[in-house]
Amino acid sequence: GENVEQHPSTLSVQEGDSAVIKCTYSDSASNYFPWYKQELGKGPQLIIDIRSNVGEKKDQRIAVTLNKTAKHFSLHITETQPEDSAVYFCAASIKPAGGGNKLTFGTGTQLKVEL
Amino acid sequence: GAVVSQHPSRVICKSGTSVKIECRSLDFQATTMFWYRQFPKQSLMLMATSNEGSKATYEQGVEKDKFLINHASLTLSTLTVTSAHPEDSSFYICSPTKRDAGGYTFGSGTRLTVV
Repeated sequence: GENVEQHPSTLSVQEGDSAVIKCTYSDSASNYFPWYKQELGKGPQLIIDIRSNVGEKKDQRIAVTLNKTAKHFSLHITETQPEDSAVYFCAASIKPAGGGNKLTFGTGTQLKVEL
Repeated sequence: GAVVSQHPSRVICKSGTSVKIECRSLDFQATTMFWYRQFPKQSLMLMATSNEGSKATYEQGVEKDKFLINHASLTLSTLTVTSAHPEDSSFYICSPTKRDAGGYTFGSGTRLTVV
């Protein structure tokens, strides 16, 4: 089955700096790669996703890049703010959920944005 | 769209008792339901998948007789933790999805504490 690795496990940045989180996956059939933000005691919230036919996607301060050949994808957050502090998870699936396909999560990154 | 309601948000029960967690898709029909378990400072681990009209499929290591999943309705699924023990204390998250879903939707989670 799919295996998703995520690094780093913790990341501390100064407010205004950029944060980068990297993930690798094992199943070359995976073609949907979402990123989630999880605040304490809450369910994961989708912040951005990318499909295999795209190499990069950006939404304001958040961007994701995908390298299918190397089987890795990364989350980039620019101009970080204290409210960005949370746990971030990458994930991968063969295709979106409609077909009942499983979503495999990475191990998570605790991001702390310091004033 | 894709509004999910999960209840209760927190529950404390005595060891040996059973607890039921409800997950409702309020504005869509969930043809597939995923249930996850998340231990403190760990990632979301898939417990089981329930597709429309089929019995739930459990992941390896998850006891189907202990974690009962009912998906009789396309808008309601329940997870019952039977004969709960302290080691079952965890954060349980549902993820109902619809047939043509482009992504995954998550509930807000249930914090179960078994004392």
